[in-house]
Amino acid sequence: DIQMTQSPASLSASLGETVTIECRASEDIYNGLAWYQQKPGKSPQLLIYNANSLHTGVPSRFSGSGSGTQYSLKINSLQSEDVASYFCQQYYDYPFTFGSGTKLEIK
Amino acid sequence: QVQLKESGPGLVQPSQTLSLTCTVSGLSLTSNSVSWIRQPPGKGLEWMGVIWSNGGTDYNSAIKSRLSISRDTSKSQVFLKMNSLQTEDTAMYFCARREWWFDYWGQGVMVTVSS
Repeated sequence: DIQMTQSPASLSASLGETVTIECRASEDIYNGLAWYQQKPGKSPQLLIYNANSLHTGVPSRFSGSGSGTQYSLKINSLQSEDVASYFCQQYYDYPFTFGSGTKLEIK
Repeated sequence: QVQLKESGPGLVQPSQTLSLTCTVSGLSLTSNSVSWIRQPPGKGLEWMGVIWSNGGTDYNSAIKSRLSISRDTSKSQVFLKMNSLQTEDTAMYFCARREWWFDYWGQGVMVTVSS
């Protein structure tokens, strides 16, 4: 199985700051990567697919980048509504696997 | 608009079989795939399997021997059956649209495995 190592596990930042979350795959996943936001008690919501394509309706302050085994999610101008957990997911190979998540809080 | 909703028993006894239903609206199962994903309390997400728009299935090899996904297109429903449940199967179970990334999710149904 492809292992997805996500960092950091938690993150505290101030409103208006830019934050970056990283995901490293155990092998090349050829941009087969998605990012999700999950708020407490809710289902995950798709943010990014194909490593850098913004899902419909997602604010442009969210962006994805990377290639090979290294990928990142950047959130510009952090807003209070961005408090959530964030997960990466690879879909290059079965079984699809997720990162362990990053919990983002406002400082 | 696209909606998915999971339903099923909240409590299952160990060694028993779990049966869940995902009822969809705003989409056709003959042109959309539906996946099942679960999340133990306070933990990460695990992809379980998918039923393709053509009715074919793929499963996570870790649970493949216990899992079955099927559908009734006339009722817009997708079914999950998993046998030999253990306490570690306690989780929120989600169905979601698509086969690679998941763009619409249901609200989830919490399943507790306990005697």
